[in-house]
Amino acid sequence: GQQLNQSPQSMFIQEGEDVSMNCTSSSIFNTWLWYKQDPGEGPVLLIALYKAGELTSNGRLTAQFGITRKDSFLNISASIPSDVGIYFCAQPGRSGYALNFGKGTSLLVTP
Amino acid sequence: KAGVTQTPRYLIKTRGQQVTLSCSPISGHRSVSWYQQTPGQGLQFLFEYFSETQRNKGNFPGRFSGRQFSNSRSEMNVSTLELGDSALYLCASSLARTGDTEAFFGQGTRLTVV
Repeated sequence: GQQLNQSPQSMFIQEGEDVSMNCTSSSIFNTWLWYKQDPGEGPVLLIALYKAGELTSNGRLTAQFGITRKDSFLNISASIPSDVGIYFCAQPGRSGYALNFGKGTSLLVTP
Repeated sequence: KAGVTQTPRYLIKTRGQQVTLSCSPISGHRSVSWYQQTPGQGLQFLFEYFSETQRNKGNFPGRFSGRQFSNSRSEMNVSTLELGDSALYLCASSLARTGDTEAFFGQGTRLTVV
């Protein structure tokens, strides 16, 4: 089945640093979604990408749909303590009715 | 505009019991999906409903079931609970007919089986 490999598994950075994480898929689909999950809460949609090469920003967050269509990247600039959480990439499954998620990147930011 | 609402937030049940979780989607959203989240397995798809019809089901045993009502609200039921069913159960709603894009999640129901 479709597999999403997300890396790194965790990151421990200082406030103000930039962060980069990525996701690769074993299959080609037309959508990449990036979510953030705070402890004890549900994932919150950050950015949605629908076209190869697409670059989309949401404040300090920027995500790109890789031109190979099998990968995506999420960058966070000038990190702040509230960026702490787990970031997930996701793609629709073959049926289109479910999302497959990566294992997540856990981000810790020290003041 | 209210988000996805899940009730209850926390549940403690005993092995062998059954449990029903509830989800109210964002107004206007007709697609509702359920996911199980555990530290070991991550986020795993349970099932998805659209207009009261289950369109897809994940790889879970028959003890896990769900339904959707005419107002798009959804419930999921787990019978004969096992310790391994302890997890965060998340509901997501979507506007798209395919139900696969821009899904919005509720806060989840934390189920603990003892």
